[in-house]
Amino acid sequence: DAGVIQSPRHEVTEMGQEVTLRCKPISGHDYLFWYRQTMMRGLELLIYFNNNVPIDDSGMPEDRFSAKMPNASFSTLKIQPSEPRDSAVYFCASSLAGINTGELFFGEGSRLTVL
Amino acid sequence: AQKVTQAQTEISVVEKEDVTLDCVYETRDTTYYLFWYKQPPSGELVFLIRRNSFDEQNEISGRYSWNFQKSTSSFNFTITASQVVDSAVYFCALSEALQGAQKLVFGQGTRLTINP
Repeated sequence: DAGVIQSPRHEVTEMGQEVTLRCKPISGHDYLFWYRQTMMRGLELLIYFNNNVPIDDSGMPEDRFSAKMPNASFSTLKIQPSEPRDSAVYFCASSLAGINTGELFFGEGSRLTVL
Repeated sequence: AQKVTQAQTEISVVEKEDVTLDCVYETRDTTYYLFWYKQPPSGELVFLIRRNSFDEQNEISGRYSWNFQKSTSSFNFTITASQVVDSAVYFCALSEALQGAQKLVFGQGTRLTINP
């Protein structure tokens, strides 16, 4: 079975450019999460969705960040305009509710470098 | 507010040694979940175990074991007879029923290096 698929794996861009990260969750999972990992701040939850509806976006740093989930098989995280401090690895994860609570399946991450 | 502390930033041991990774948590909720995840060099995090706050039984899975103690708010992870393949960053995490049980807060991680 395919796991969580993220693209691109690596992105290098210049400050001020728009960045779009994409995620395809595991089929049948009803939760989707976006995390950011940096050396300084560790793993931070940015936003998560349940059945395509954003539940908690309190971790989104500022208005430059936005996330959407137009359907059960696709989500995007957009940064516009990007800044050097946004450089990080962005992980998407998906999970099922119920007895599997908290068992997140992570993608391989998208490493973003903003120059 | 929920918080997870992994005081050990890095640990390095020789293969076949036993090693314990510490995790201390803070929560005001009476119903919560604790987790361990492994992040190998390939990058993606892999789920290892979940414990709920009402189940303090220790768990053993092969060379891995977990010790959950509510009295000290700790959920420690021990690898017995460590192997080079155990080298990874290990994260402890917490979620609270009231905040959304799916909303995991992670500790800073412990980088474990097993030397041959």
